[in-house]
Amino acid sequence: DSGVTQTPKHLITATGQRVTLRCSPRSGDLSVYWYQQSLDQGLQFLIQYYNGEERAKGNILERFSAQQFPDLHSELNLSSLELGDSALYFCASSVSNSPLHFGNGTRLTVT
Amino acid sequence: SQQGEEDPQALSIQEGENATMNCSYKTSINNLQWYRQNSGRGLVHLILIRSNEREKHSGRLRVTLDTSKKSSSLLITASRAADTASYFCATVSVLDMRFGAGTRLTVKP
Repeated sequence: DSGVTQTPKHLITATGQRVTLRCSPRSGDLSVYWYQQSLDQGLQFLIQYYNGEERAKGNILERFSAQQFPDLHSELNLSSLELGDSALYFCASSVSNSPLHFGNGTRLTVT
Repeated sequence: SQQGEEDPQALSIQEGENATMNCSYKTSINNLQWYRQNSGRGLVHLILIRSNEREKHSGRLRVTLDTSKKSSSLLITASRAADTASYFCATVSVLDMRFGAGTRLTVKP
């Protein structure tokens, strides 16, 4: 058990909809990372937060947004969903740039 | 965009054989990490090697790093069926941390 909790585990929704994915980092970890994993794109870095502040941004679409709250949990909001957004979304946490601890992901299916 | 590029994309070996996976990258790094992912699960950290280190061991794992060639290798010795998984390298720079596309390892019993 990595100590990182992601909810929900599975999510099925329709195109055009909006969903929120939630992540509780490992106790004591200030950094939270979001990754998208699809079959044809591999593991894509989306965004990183450190202690509530955005630290780094990757290939995150404008339709996606994220935030980290004072209690350090993080949410990834995906809106105007398209079929191509279907993927596994992983959250990871770390103390700094030390090894990441990954949750088991949220599998999003857009129909 | 990806930073590390793993090679090969897929590898199939018999139990007991050694498995070698390679990772190449493009920019300067602080450290390089290897992760393992079982199907549909989160990645699990295996080993970290710093930019000033050349080789590191952990159990049946041996990692090398050649910063002049911007490449790393992961060797799994005496493989087991339970080693079947995808293996990813991740490069850590001042700016960020990026993963490669991974090597899918299948170990046949």
